[in-house]
Amino acid sequence: GAVVSQHPSRVICKSGTSVKIECRSLDFQATTMFWYRQFPKQSLMLMATSNEGSKATYEQGVEKDKFLINHASLTLSTLTVTSAHPEDSSFYICSAKEETQYFGPGTRLLVL
Amino acid sequence: AQSVAQPEDQVNVAEGNPLTVKCTYSVSGNPYLFWYVQYPNRGLQFLLKYITGDNLVKGSYGFEAEFNKSQTSFHLKKPSALVSDSALYFCAVSFSGGYNKLIFGAGTRLAVHP
Repeated sequence: GAVVSQHPSRVICKSGTSVKIECRSLDFQATTMFWYRQFPKQSLMLMATSNEGSKATYEQGVEKDKFLINHASLTLSTLTVTSAHPEDSSFYICSAKEETQYFGPGTRLLVL
Repeated sequence: AQSVAQPEDQVNVAEGNPLTVKCTYSVSGNPYLFWYVQYPNRGLQFLLKYITGDNLVKGSYGFEAEFNKSQTSFHLKKPSALVSDSALYFCAVSFSGGYNKLIFGAGTRLAVHP
């Protein structure tokens, strides 16, 4: 089946620093990738839709200047959390769309 | 508004017994329905989907789901539960014209007891 990877799996950073998370589709090309955020014991919240070669589409309430998304190739999308604060601590999950959305293993971000 | 409801926070079932995890949806247009499973601290794994065709869909690990248009439901089922099936299950819907965005239910935790 389709495989999606994320890196890093876990990151701890100081408040005010920026963190980049990579999402790769390993065995297929994905024109569209999605970024989700999941709070403990809650469902997934779609943050943005990432389209290769164009600007990302952000969901209502998601700050595009804080969560920078770049979809530079058909197999790679990156999410950069800029000037991270403790409230940005969360589990971030990406997905890549072939016919179906396939999800990465997630990145746990802890901002101290 | 498009939405998905999973009415049960948790489902408990004994190993070897059949299990059902419920899902209902509300969308305009034709729904595309999905089930995913999440193990602790992991991403979501795709189980099965309904796009069109047969209402009974068979998926991974012995799971199946039945699309019921009149009841707007897509319940997940398995004839004989395993302890290893214990996980968090998410129902999701996409819809024609929705640019393939998935709308997720709140999730149902399945606990299978030996």
